[in-house]
Amino acid sequence: EAQVTQNPRYLITVTGKKLTVTCSQNMNHEYMSWYRQDPGLGLRQIYYSMNVEVTDKGDVPEGYKVSRKEKRNFPLILESPSPNQTSLYFCASSKQGSNQPQHFGDGTRLSIL
Amino acid sequence: RKEVEQDPGPFNVPEGATVAFNCTYSNSASQSFFWYRQDCRKEPKLLMSVYSSGNEDGRFTAQLNRASQYISLLIRDSKLSDSATYLCVVYGGGNNRLAFGKGNQVVVIP
Repeated sequence: EAQVTQNPRYLITVTGKKLTVTCSQNMNHEYMSWYRQDPGLGLRQIYYSMNVEVTDKGDVPEGYKVSRKEKRNFPLILESPSPNQTSLYFCASSKQGSNQPQHFGDGTRLSIL
Repeated sequence: RKEVEQDPGPFNVPEGATVAFNCTYSNSASQSFFWYRQDCRKEPKLLMSVYSSGNEDGRFTAQLNRASQYISLLIRDSKLSDSATYLCVVYGGGNNRLAFGKGNQVVVIP
């Protein structure tokens, strides 16, 4: 089954404790991206990757890192999480680029205390 | 002006009725347009792409008006299962990124 898999689905943690949210897709998609969704603000892009070893900032990259060492994986790293990063996070992938329909993962709900 | 604007609603729609809403976009160079459906706390899912000539998928019809810079979605014969938030998504205009509207919330009432 074609899918985008995020882990964990839920996480409660404390300020400053490094965490990684993994994202993996099995559709051989070139393009992957991370979004956060907050009430009243809609979906905002954090980082995106056009292909392996190619990443770029989205609209709200501060406090986040990403890497794209393999085509299928695009982890999101929070080196020193803070409470304002409490949010619902979605990973998405598509063939070739963001002008194509996006396939979203199930989401990861992060709470930073 | 925001990149993509939608009236959040909610749009309370009697079952069986027709509901329509628009989404305006600010960048006239935008190239691709989509409607996504998002159920509460779930991931967005593609509902339909929007083509210049307009397109229809069952009870759903999407239109693009480039001159006035808006896209529309019409839902006919609303079902209870249509209750969701409908996100307008626009691509292009030079930044190679997608811009998401905040969504139109639709509540279909029995």
